Amino acid sequence: DADVTQTPRNRITKTGKRIMLECSQTKGHDRMYWYRQDPGLGLRLIYYSFDVKDINKGEISDGYSVSRQAQAKFSLSLESAIPNQTALYFCATSDGRIQETQYFGPGTRLLVL
Amino acid sequence: AQTVTQSQPEMSVQEAETVTLSCTYDTSESDYYLFWYKQPPSRQMILVIRQEAYKQQNATENRFSVNFQKAAKSFSLKISDSQLGDAAMYFCAYRRANNDMRFGAGTRLTVKP
Repeated sequence: DADVTQTPRNRITKTGKRIMLECSQTKGHDRMYWYRQDPGLGLRLIYYSFDVKDINKGEISDGYSVSRQAQAKFSLSLESAIPNQTALYFCATSDGRIQETQYFGPGTRLLVL
Repeated sequence: AQTVTQSQPEMSVQEAETVTLSCTYDTSESDYYLFWYKQPPSRQMILVIRQEAYKQQNATENRFSVNFQKAAKSFSLKISDSQLGDAAMYFCAYRRANNDMRFGAGTRLTVKP
């Protein structure tokens, strides 16, 4: 969905490096999410935020941190990257209405060497 | 914790034929939402169809329909008149109101010309 953008789209980094993945949305949604996708495991939730002052851990938050800089921006950081964090990372947004639909960005493919 | 199971890692269908993808979920809640997302090779996550648990009528979106069996906790996706562009990974997802979304491991659908 072009309304949700992620940068970078691809990234190669080395073990121990700090990296940040960024997500921006123009949909005006309050809720934002970070997921990682691994083969055979589907998508798993890392962190989510229901508004600028609200940050919640998801299913697999260890080794990650987030920052909600504004309603439209939600960043994911790997403080010290490790190889098993190699994955496809998705940002998503929702407006919290009863339909509860999430809209996804294009994904960031991260390789940790 | 809620879990979502997709028992078919791979499925194939002949072009113009019909295929059904299976999904079961585990929950003790009565109010929730179910989704099917499609992920083509572009890796974009695209919403295919959505079902609210309180609705008895099965959702339909053009060639896509679901068979929602609440008591059996089953949510299958039927694709009619399959097209080459339907080839993708399909993910079933479950979400409670104001809560995070849980995904199945996915089913890879191949469409044969």
